[in-house]
Amino acid sequence: AQSVTQLDSHVSVSEGTPVLLRCNYSSSYSPSLFWYVQHPNKGLQLLLKYTSAATLVKGINGFEAEFKKSETSFHLTKPSAHMSDAAEYFCVVSALSGYALNFGKGTSLLVTP
Amino acid sequence: GAGVSQSPSNKVTEKGKDVELRCDPISGHTALYWYRQSLGQGLEFLIYFQGNSAPDKSGLPSDRFSAERTGGSVSTLTIQRTQQEDSAVYLCASSQFIRGGRNSDTQYFGPGTRLTVL
Repeated sequence: AQSVTQLDSHVSVSEGTPVLLRCNYSSSYSPSLFWYVQHPNKGLQLLLKYTSAATLVKGINGFEAEFKKSETSFHLTKPSAHMSDAAEYFCVVSALSGYALNFGKGTSLLVTP
Repeated sequence: GAGVSQSPSNKVTEKGKDVELRCDPISGHTALYWYRQSLGQGLEFLIYFQGNSAPDKSGLPSDRFSAERTGGSVSTLTIQRTQQEDSAVYLCASSQFIRGGRNSDTQYFGPGTRLTVL
């Protein structure tokens, strides 16, 4: 089955410092991978997606993620955290069906002044 | 342009009652999905509609759950005889089209309906 594991349920960083949210995936084939963000009481928003093109994927708001097949990882990074980045982040893999999404448990990002 | 909209935003009901949740997808999107977000289970796929094809209902947790999509646009998720474990946020998403094979087109999510079963 296709699944993702988010290695940290909570991450806390200071404003202006780098962000690293870790995600490992399990898939029987080359998957499509996504990062979504959910701000409090808001809908899910796509940050970026990987679909077997470039392994380094750039998303919105300065986020990027690198697909590493050898490590089965798809970690999300940002060079400098902003207060507005505080939210829940979900690593997502496409299911075998090709359309359903399998979500990780989420990582709550706290940004302190 | 308008995004995915869902109504109501909040619904409180008593155990045993039926509820209907509505989703209006982005205009022109042929694929529509329902997901459920709960504290215990995280985000789970429920059901998928694509054009006039038979829906994929493989994620529905029980036969109390059903969904329909009229005219290829608006969708309604119905939960009969609600139970307390049905309390969750129900999310709807739509996408432009689905390519054959494994790659998914980007799914755009609505704000969700928070269902509370007392």
